[in-house]
Amino acid sequence: EADIYQTPRYLVIGTGKKITLECSQTMGHDKMYWYQQDPGMELHLIHYSYGVNSTEKGDLSSESTVSRIRTEHFPLTLESARPSHTSQYLCASSEYKGGGLYEQYFGPGTRLTVT
Amino acid sequence: QKEVEQDPGPLSVPEGAIVSLNCTYSNSAFQYFMWYRQYSRKGPELLMYTYSSGNKEDGRFTAQVDKSSKYISLFIRDSQPSDSATYLCAMSLGGSGGYQKVTFGTGTKLQVIP
Repeated sequence: EADIYQTPRYLVIGTGKKITLECSQTMGHDKMYWYQQDPGMELHLIHYSYGVNSTEKGDLSSESTVSRIRTEHFPLTLESARPSHTSQYLCASSEYKGGGLYEQYFGPGTRLTVT
Repeated sequence: QKEVEQDPGPLSVPEGAIVSLNCTYSNSAFQYFMWYRQYSRKGPELLMYTYSSGNKEDGRFTAQVDKSSKYISLFIRDSQPSDSATYLCAMSLGGSGGYQKVTFGTGTKLQVIP
């Protein structure tokens, strides 16, 4: 089982609040990712990181921001939550398996509801 | 048009049935083809992957890739209630070093009835 953790698992919060979703991994992986998953929709990459102090935006535009100060920690922040941010947020890290393949390990997700 | 198409289901089968899950894709440059399993309230976990065309077997699971048809399949033999989950296909171009984009299907929800 992958050692990647996300907190909180569930969050219901009012519009306008600032929130931080936590993600940590104990595998020492350099590459980490944040995905957004909505029912019946594919996973969309919103942020990724190659390593400490390296972050990039993903394919799906997001008002969230991320930071990578430590290898094991990759938090996601929303400065002002809105109902449109309601979604499941999945954090992942990856390990190079050789031959050009990275295996991604996912956390259990944070289900965010903004009222 | 989405790069990866997957029937969302749900698919309901009796225990012991053979299950076939499928995806089609449009990008002929994809090299790695993966199947993830996602249980309710959990993150996806990698089940199997294949490189380029061909078959790969792991216990009751067989993954097939037909690059000429841009079609991939996952077969589950002797399905068990514990196989009840959402199965996501995923594909990537491969390559070491930089970011390796993974494109996911929407997932097929499978229920195996005891």
